[in-house]
Amino acid sequence: DQQVKQNSPSLSVQEGRISILNCDYTNSMFDYFLWYKKYPAEGPTFLISISSIKDKNEDGRFTVFLNKSAKHLSLHIVPSQPGDSAVYFCAARNQAGTALIFGKGTTLSVSS
Amino acid sequence: EPEVTQTPSHQVTQMGQEVILRCVPISNHLYFYWYRQILGQKVEFLVSFYNNEISEKSEIFDDQFSVERPDGSNFTLKIRSTKLEDSAMYFCASGLAGGTNTGELFFGEGSRLTVL
Repeated sequence: DQQVKQNSPSLSVQEGRISILNCDYTNSMFDYFLWYKKYPAEGPTFLISISSIKDKNEDGRFTVFLNKSAKHLSLHIVPSQPGDSAVYFCAARNQAGTALIFGKGTTLSVSS
Repeated sequence: EPEVTQTPSHQVTQMGQEVILRCVPISNHLYFYWYRQILGQKVEFLVSFYNNEISEKSEIFDDQFSVERPDGSNFTLKIRSTKLEDSAMYFCASGLAGGTNTGELFFGEGSRLTVL
């Protein structure tokens, strides 16, 4: 039962271009959505989050968009840099609890 | 900057042996978690712990698993009788949670468990 889905296992982008990572969810009870970045042999690192009552949140080069009617969110990275190359996980929190449910991740490769 | 620390970084054990993974969460955090990631798969929730008891657990967290906060700083995950399929990276996380908190959890670097 995949409540959080990242259907693209990988994405390749050139340096300076926009990276768009997508995530779909099925549970209407999620109240927060988060994006985490993970390098090999390290733990996930928090990037940005968005409340379910908002449709956009921006932090520097990172913007997360939420479309509740479509149960879809996306992470935009502009401009992309080689150091952004990592696995990006979409995660969601159920308003009834505190645990995060993760998607399978998307591997982003940014080439210079 | 405060961080979650985990030990050991890598443990190799024989099937059927007991394993204890240790974590020191961020000191002012109230909620503690264990997650695992089997190689090439997603990060899976195991259990959350608040106010000295389990608050949520997943189907993965069966009777062979237990958690404990033996003192004011450590948070442990015990696997009683390890199986081959327990081989994974285990991540500890902590968070403030509750109220208007954004839900952000802070993760340690993980403990790799290899069961032979």
